[in-house]
Amino acid sequence: AQTVTQSQPEMSVQEAETVTLSCTYDTSESNYYLFWYKQPPSRQMILVIRQEAYKQQNATENRFSVNFQKAAKSFSLKISDSQLGDTAMYFCAFGASFQGAQKLVFGQGTRLTINP
Amino acid sequence: EAGVTQFPSHSVIEKGQTVTLRCDPISGHDNLYWYRRVMGKEIKFLLHFVKESKQDESGMPNNRFLAERTGGTYSTLKVQPAELEDSGVYFCASSLLWGYNEQFFGPGTRLTVL
Repeated sequence: AQTVTQSQPEMSVQEAETVTLSCTYDTSESNYYLFWYKQPPSRQMILVIRQEAYKQQNATENRFSVNFQKAAKSFSLKISDSQLGDTAMYFCAFGASFQGAQKLVFGQGTRLTINP
Repeated sequence: EAGVTQFPSHSVIEKGQTVTLRCDPISGHDNLYWYRRVMGKEIKFLLHFVKESKQDESGMPNNRFLAERTGGTYSTLKVQPAELEDSGVYFCASSLLWGYNEQFFGPGTRLTVL
């Protein structure tokens, strides 16, 4: 069975700083996806970024980038030039694709606060 | 285009009562998933529908939980009878059927069992 661990329950940084959220996972699968989801206060969870395990290049989406270390089973999220709107719960998730469908396995979440 | 919607947003019930949660996926999304987050812990998978068929219900905690998706459109998740440990936030997500497809999440239903 797959497991996902986020070791930082809470983090807090100043606006414009860079912050890195940690995530480790365990799996015996060779083909899988990794995701970071963001849930702002009282709002829906949205996908921030995803990484296909077979791709060596780290995914980036504007200010968001990942450091994917497949051998170490590590998948951290870096937020550059953090903004107040980045305040949210961040969930790391694992998905092993099967016929186009994925049962996501989530970590415990990291509550990130961006202070003005 | 409307996103995934869930009803109700909050529900407070007594132990032993029945509650039915509803999820309306994005139109055209054949995959529908239910997840639950209990007591600030990780979000856990409950089950997965492909159209009206249950593809995977390995995460359903026990037979007090019944999920349906009649006609392959909206889905309901009924808890009967509810227990204290059922309290949490129930999320629904949907995605297109083929290839890699992002799961779009609803806002969740917060269930409190007293």
